[in-house]
Amino acid sequence: GDSVTQTEGQVALSEEDFLTIHCNYSASGYPTLFWYVQYPGEGPQLLFRASRDKEKGSSRGFEATYDKGTTSFHLRKASVQESDSAVYYCALRASSSFSKLVFGQGTSLSVVP
Amino acid sequence: GGIITQTPKFLIGQEGQKLTLKCQQNFNHDTMYWYRQDSGKGLRLIYYSITENDLQKGDLSEGYDASREKKSSFSLTVTSAQKNEMAVFLCASHGQNNQAPLFGEGTRLSVL
Repeated sequence: GDSVTQTEGQVALSEEDFLTIHCNYSASGYPTLFWYVQYPGEGPQLLFRASRDKEKGSSRGFEATYDKGTTSFHLRKASVQESDSAVYYCALRASSSFSKLVFGQGTSLSVVP
Repeated sequence: GGIITQTPKFLIGQEGQKLTLKCQQNFNHDTMYWYRQDSGKGLRLIYYSITENDLQKGDLSEGYDASREKKSSFSLTVTSAQKNEMAVFLCASHGQNNQAPLFGEGTRLSVL
């Protein structure tokens, strides 16, 4: 079945560090890919999404590029802030399946001043 | 603006008890979901519904029932709570299929 793999379970950085969270997927065709962010006590909220190969999604300084060749959608930010501390989820919606959204395991980001 | 409301925010149950979680949305969305969130395991789909009175099982449906009697509401029942169970249950919804789901704030379950 369709799946999403996030390599990092936890990431600890200092402010102004560069962030990469790896996301690889397995699905046929061209799934839509998403990044969500979840702050403590809240539900996940959409950062951005991408639907086509080489499409770049971006929001709040975060960005990711859809790469069908490597089946990846890695999240990057050039300079993290303490306020970016949260859990980040990569997700996909398969092109062949109605509605169902599949999530990765999540990556907990902690940024210290 | 619209909102997804989950009740209760916190739920404490006893082993073997039947527990019901509720979700209401005022976006007039067709599709609604229930996800379970456990630390280190991400979000796992329990049930979803693409319209009123429709129910579709997710990967984690065993031990749960769901109900979608109105377009705006989607309920989840834990049929027999497991001792020491702790999880967050998240409700989500979207309109057209290409929209990104919006999430509620979750119901935090603890079973004694």
